[in-house]
Amino acid sequence: ETGVTQTPRHLVMGMTNKKSLKCEQHLGHNAMYWYKQSAKKPLELMFVYNFKEQTENNSVPSRFSPECPNSSHLFLHLHTLQPEDSALYLCASSQESTLGAGEMGYIQYFGAGTRLSVL
Amino acid sequence: KNEVEQSPQNLTAQEGEFITINCSYSVGISALHWLQQHPGGGIVSLFMLSSGKKKHGRLIATINIQEKHSSLHITASHPRDSAVYICASGGGADGLTFGKGTHLIIQP
Repeated sequence: ETGVTQTPRHLVMGMTNKKSLKCEQHLGHNAMYWYKQSAKKPLELMFVYNFKEQTENNSVPSRFSPECPNSSHLFLHLHTLQPEDSALYLCASSQESTLGAGEMGYIQYFGAGTRLSVL
Repeated sequence: KNEVEQSPQNLTAQEGEFITINCSYSVGISALHWLQQHPGGGIVSLFMLSSGKKKHGRLIATINIQEKHSSLHITASHPRDSAVYICASGGGADGLTFGKGTHLIIQP
């Protein structure tokens, strides 16, 4: 148990559906991340929220829409996805320095992931 | 753009063997992470280091900042060590940049 909970663990959706992935962290961290892991490809950063503000959007298509209502919860809203979006979606959290960029990175704690299949 | 390269991509060894996984990155970084991913997807952070060497149980991680290279060693390997080991650089507001991972199988 890492302290980061993702739901659902598995999701099958059609290309016209709208669904949301949820991530909740119980660690008191101030930064949360969405990563995507496609088959036979490295993990890719999608979004970063630092102190509830989005600080990174790694050229992700608009059919993926993140939401961070507070420092403990992170959502990924999905709509009109494509079959190539089928992947493992991982959430992570960390406690980042308030001193800004350039400081040493901090350990990220990962959720178990949501395995998404788009039909 | 920082690129992270790992080797080998696949490694099969016998129980008890000493294991080494290598990681190289292309630009200067503030931190290097080693992660372990088990079948089913769950990822666990093993080490985060910015210099020198860290040890936890049978795991040892080293980093050479000048050469932009890090190694993960497993001593007295055991079948339960079988997993994908991932090297990643960066962190913080930029998130992590990941290597492709090393698939390790330890046979009894």
